[in-house]
Amino acid sequence: QKEVEQDPGPLSVPEGAIVSLNCTYSNSAFQYFMWYRQYSRKGPELLMYTYSSGNKEDGRFTAQVDKSSKYISLFIRDSQPSDSATYLCAMEFAGGTSYGKLTFGQGTILTVHP
Amino acid sequence: NAGVTQTPKFQVLKTGQSMTLQCAQDMNHEYMSWYRQDPGMGLRLIHYSVGAGITDQGEVPNGYNVSRSTTEDFPLRLLSAAPSQTSVYFCASSYSATQTNRVRANVLTFGAGSRLTVL
Repeated sequence: QKEVEQDPGPLSVPEGAIVSLNCTYSNSAFQYFMWYRQYSRKGPELLMYTYSSGNKEDGRFTAQVDKSSKYISLFIRDSQPSDSATYLCAMEFAGGTSYGKLTFGQGTILTVHP
Repeated sequence: NAGVTQTPKFQVLKTGQSMTLQCAQDMNHEYMSWYRQDPGMGLRLIHYSVGAGITDQGEVPNGYNVSRSTTEDFPLRLLSAAPSQTSVYFCASSYSATQTNRVRANVLTFGAGSRLTVL
């Protein structure tokens, strides 16, 4: 079983819909939780990151972390065709010793159609 | 600012051939890493470096070598290519970001990727 599980989709929604992307994990030592967005034939780019449990909002994007359930979510409000991409969750252990080593989910392919 | 630059973008090899994927960053980041991305597997860490002269293995290191002689460069060598190494390879560099007063997270900047096919 992978340490981080993410539904690969694909997920297809109409423009304006609310999108919910989710990951579960098994290692309770993860402390930093990130979402990366990857457009086709490009490298991933950081969308948001949060520390421990809680919510974080950035424009149309909201990241939620529930450490008690080992469950993280990314919500996209008023989705746009430009949001069509693969979304990867990623996690990092606490402290300054992770040296940029992240554990990624499998990625969810999202298509927002006009 | 170029960020993280990877070359080549595409490469086709025959089984048993060797090659080097190049990676350079101009952001003076301390940490650099190599990931491979395969369908249904997400990104998996191959090797990483915490500074010039210091490297270590990640989750899937077999068949790959790395070295880091400078802060800027982190090449990945395939010693004897196998079809199982057909993949998209991403190099990343990272810095630590702060969130209030907590211990830092690492924010990765990825290159555009190198698509390798081994026949």
